[in-house]
Amino acid sequence: AQTVTQSQPEMSVQEAETVTLSCTYDTSESDYYLFWYKQPPSRQMILVIRQEAYKQQNATENRFSVNFQKAAKSFSLKISDSQLGDAAMYFCAYRSPAGTSYGKLTFGQGTILTVHP
Amino acid sequence: DSGVTQTPKHLITATGQRVTLRCSPRSGDLSVYWYQQSLDQGLQFLIQYYNGEERAKGNILERFSAQQFPDLHSELNLSSLELGDSALYFCASSVVGGGPAETQYFGPGTRLLVL
Repeated sequence: AQTVTQSQPEMSVQEAETVTLSCTYDTSESDYYLFWYKQPPSRQMILVIRQEAYKQQNATENRFSVNFQKAAKSFSLKISDSQLGDAAMYFCAYRSPAGTSYGKLTFGQGTILTVHP
Repeated sequence: DSGVTQTPKHLITATGQRVTLRCSPRSGDLSVYWYQQSLDQGLQFLIQYYNGEERAKGNILERFSAQQFPDLHSELNLSSLELGDSALYFCASSVVGGGPAETQYFGPGTRLLVL
């Protein structure tokens, strides 16, 4: 079974600065998908960014980018020019391509990000 | 707004009772997932339906059951409720379920409190 680990329960950053959230995962599969979801105080789960394991290029979405290290099974999220609205719980998630899991997401424990003005 | 709707938003009930949570997927999505978010267990996958049929099961208790109807909405039934069932229950939907380019979109959740 796949596992996802977020070793940083809490992180903080100053507004306009850069912060990196860590995520590692364990899998024996070679093809899979990785996601970062954001959960603000409203509790809504919002997709931030996704990465396909077969793509070597790291995904980027505006101020959000990932550092995907397949051999190390590491998938970190970098937030540049942090804004107050980035304050939230961030979840790393793993998804198998197919088979018995059929798309279920396995989540890490989450990292609470605080943004200081 | 993700396009996934869940009702009710909040539910307060007593131990031993039964409740039904409802989810309507995004237009065009055939697959529905249920997740439970609790303080001690984190975010856990419960069950997935695709076009009316159960496709995958996770850590879902025997007291819990779900179904997906012909109009693709889904219901999660929780019975013989215990204090530990208090949690935020999310529904998510995707086009097919497991496809390579798919993303799951989450509803706003139903917060269940068992007293």
